[in-house]
Amino acid sequence: DAKTTQPPSMDCAEGRAANLPCNHSTISGNEYVYWYRQIHSQGPQYIIHGLKNNETNEMASLIITEDRKSSTLILPHATLRDTAVYYCIVRVAGGGSNYKLTFGKGTLLTVNP
Amino acid sequence: GAGVSQSPRYKVAKRGQDVALRCDPISGHVSLFWYQQALGQGPEFLTYFQNEAQLDKSGLPSDRFFAERPEGSVSTLKIQRTQQEDSAVYLCASSQLPPRGSVTDTQYFGPGTRLTVL
Repeated sequence: DAKTTQPPSMDCAEGRAANLPCNHSTISGNEYVYWYRQIHSQGPQYIIHGLKNNETNEMASLIITEDRKSSTLILPHATLRDTAVYYCIVRVAGGGSNYKLTFGKGTLLTVNP
Repeated sequence: GAGVSQSPRYKVAKRGQDVALRCDPISGHVSLFWYQQALGQGPEFLTYFQNEAQLDKSGLPSDRFFAERPEGSVSTLKIQRTQQEDSAVYLCASSQLPPRGSVTDTQYFGPGTRLTVL
């Protein structure tokens, strides 16, 4: 699986949009971008994933650049409960031996009141 | 519906003691995963089951670690003769379809068991 690079930490004001970047310059054509988050003392929680088109669900939006070398997770109106470590993971979905998730250190997002 | 559950949530063991950690996956989920998360790090893969078959145990750090899923549902991770370096959070995850299926093989995680070895 391709390696990802994320900033170690970010801050965001409550009610504002949080934009979390991820670089994955070595991504392959069949690899998806997944985002998980982990709130303190909880297990990781799936947020969203995409291949090349932008995706949106009830939690967040995922913007993938045209060359697919980077992406941004957008939380449109961050709340205090969104404070967590956010992991960007690149993997082949449904892809045989690539079932395991390879986590990096992620980005600690702190939402401030 | 119910999510992935794990028990106990916290376990303190004396060095050399054996421990058993339980995972109840989401009902009907074929795939089950164990991960280990050291303090300040992201989770790291330990082992993978498809139904009762353990298809990958490449991440198990030593032969003191053993996992089973005898009936293809509940899984147990056993650590023999615990050492201080085994202290970590052990996470279980399950997914609905075998990996060789479709893009909907999202893994859902339990809350983890925090193991502290003294």
